[in-house]
Amino acid sequence: AQTVTQSQPEMSVQEAETVTLSCTYDTSESDYYLFWYKQPPSRQMILVIRQEAYKQQNATENRFSVNFQKAAKSFSLKISDSQLGDAAMYFCAHVPPNYQLIWGAGTKLIIKP
Amino acid sequence: DTGVSQDPRHKITKRGQNVTFRCDPISEHNRLYWYRQTLGQGPEFLTYFQNEAQLEKSRLLSDRFSAERPKGSFSTLEIQRTEQGDSAMYLCASSLAGSWADTQYFGPGTRLTVL
Repeated sequence: AQTVTQSQPEMSVQEAETVTLSCTYDTSESDYYLFWYKQPPSRQMILVIRQEAYKQQNATENRFSVNFQKAAKSFSLKISDSQLGDAAMYFCAHVPPNYQLIWGAGTKLIIKP
Repeated sequence: DTGVSQDPRHKITKRGQNVTFRCDPISEHNRLYWYRQTLGQGPEFLTYFQNEAQLEKSRLLSDRFSAERPKGSFSTLEIQRTEQGDSAMYLCASSLAGSWADTQYFGPGTRLTVL
């Protein structure tokens, strides 16, 4: 079965510091897509960043970047210069070809002022 | 682009009642998805449409749940004879088929509480 594992139920970081959220997934496919979504408390799910498996280069979006290790099936999210508004649940998701998004259980990120 | 909208945002109902939720996708998106999310968990896939056709339903989806997208635009999700276990956030998302892995954009959700 294809699964996504987020091993950190909760992480905390000091404001302005850097934090890395981990995600591993299981797949037998060679081509697929990976996503990080963020869900602030009582607010909607927002796309943070996405990565195509066939691209070697790690995706970046402003303060957000990923470390994609295809052989290790790892897709971690790095948030630089953490801000109070980054506090949220972060979900990693994997989509194999012709299939639905497979979600991790989420990591709650706490930002300490 | 006004984003995905859902109505109502909150619904409180008594066990045994029927409820219906509405989702309006991003206007040019032809795919629409329904998810259920309970506290502290990731979204659980329920069903999805491409245009007006319902292409997939979760095997976990009870017969009490039905969804429609009659004109390929907005969609409704109905839950009949609600149970306390149906209490959850119901999320809708939309995407454009063929565009970047059908990246899904989410609405704010409808929070259902069954008393």
